Amino acid sequence: GEDVEQSLFLSVREGDSSVINCTYTDSSSTYLYWYKQEPGAGLQLLTYIFSNMDMKQDQRLTVLLNKKDKHLSLRIADTQTGDSAIYFCAESIVGSSASKIIFGSGTRLSIRP
Amino acid sequence: NAGVMQNPRHLVRRRGQEARLRCSPMKGHSHVYWYRQLPEEGLKFMVYLQKENIIDESGMPKERFSAEFPKEGPSILRIQQVVRGDSAAYFCASSPEVEGLGQPQHFGDGTRLSIL
Repeated sequence: GEDVEQSLFLSVREGDSSVINCTYTDSSSTYLYWYKQEPGAGLQLLTYIFSNMDMKQDQRLTVLLNKKDKHLSLRIADTQTGDSAIYFCAESIVGSSASKIIFGSGTRLSIRP
Repeated sequence: NAGVMQNPRHLVRRRGQEARLRCSPMKGHSHVYWYRQLPEEGLKFMVYLQKENIIDESGMPKERFSAEFPKEGPSILRIQQVVRGDSAAYFCASSPEVEGLGQPQHFGDGTRLSIL
């Protein structure tokens, strides 16, 4: 079946690294995504990784993919107050002629001073 | 280069009325997706359209909901005879027509629908 799981809350101290974890079930997924949603706003595509990659780094963001365990993580280095948001893990499911994204329920990241 | 444009940003309807939500994809994108986000939840896929065609509507409720993406103009998500449970944020996303499915989707800011 199609399911994406992630923990609901994460609290980190400003300046520390944040690691948000996600597991997914569909082995046929092609892309795995991290989206950021601030209160009352839409979804911002932060980064994505193709399923044949293990790691992707983009400035403060590092994505790790363990395809064997179907585990995806997002590491945010030097976490700042502006990083407070809900982070959604998502996978694309490719059918015979369609493509849709399955989202996790989101991890709410809060930053302590 | 404008992103995905949705309007209105906020829509208030009374029970039994119709709601029309509009989405203009990014320039050069011909694939449109609609998602619904209930309060405190993630996004749930509703429907995937290409120009003039519905490709996958497996997430659409069977009644009262319809979607279209005409040759000219924006994609429309239409909800007839709205009920309280339709209150949610509705997001549109688009992706380019390139070979290989699963291209990253870019989202609009959503329409927040409130039913009185």
